[in-house]
Amino acid sequence: EADIYQTPRYLVIGTGKKITLECSQTMGHDKMYWYQQDPGMELHLIHYSYGVNSTEKGDLSSESTVSRIRTEHFPLTLESARPSHTSQYLCASSAGTVNEKLFFGSGTQLSVL
Amino acid sequence: DQQVKQNSPSLSVQEGRISILNCDYTNSMFDYFLWYKKYPAEGPTFLISISSIKDKNEDGRFTVFLNKSAKHLSLHIVPSQPGDSAVYFCAGRNSGNTPLVFGKGTRLSVIA
Repeated sequence: EADIYQTPRYLVIGTGKKITLECSQTMGHDKMYWYQQDPGMELHLIHYSYGVNSTEKGDLSSESTVSRIRTEHFPLTLESARPSHTSQYLCASSAGTVNEKLFFGSGTQLSVL
Repeated sequence: DQQVKQNSPSLSVQEGRISILNCDYTNSMFDYFLWYKKYPAEGPTFLISISSIKDKNEDGRFTVFLNKSAKHLSLHIVPSQPGDSAVYFCAGRNSGNTPLVFGKGTRLSVIA
């Protein structure tokens, strides 16, 4: 079973607030990812990291930022939330082997009013 | 441009029958493909994968077929069960150190 945790599960906030979505994994995985997903749409990669102090932007332009100070922790921050940020945010990790699979957290459903 | 396409947004199947979910890809460098299952308000869970050196991989009720020349793969579920009702995502990646690319998903409804 995957041991990857996201908090909070649900978040409703007002426009302009700063928020941090937490993601932690206990599997010692080097690779971690943040995806954004809306109903009926693909999972869009917004950030990824292949190790401590390494972060990259994904395909989807995002106003969020990430940090990777510890292997197990990969938080995502929105400095000023807007209604367009309303979405499900999914964190994932992988071991980085040849035919790797991603393990996903339960997701954070964010609603910005 | 979408590299992984799931052209059927939804599929309804009767319990006990076969479910066939299709996926097409455009990137000829893709060599590894995965299927994920997702329930509402939860994260995707891994179902089955296939490497480009194979054309079929089977795991219980789930079988994935890969047709490299057509750049097409399909997931067969037989027999389908009501608990299989979920959104199924196809994903692919190339042999480089690049992240997975996902399709838009197909919502499967298995009717009792």
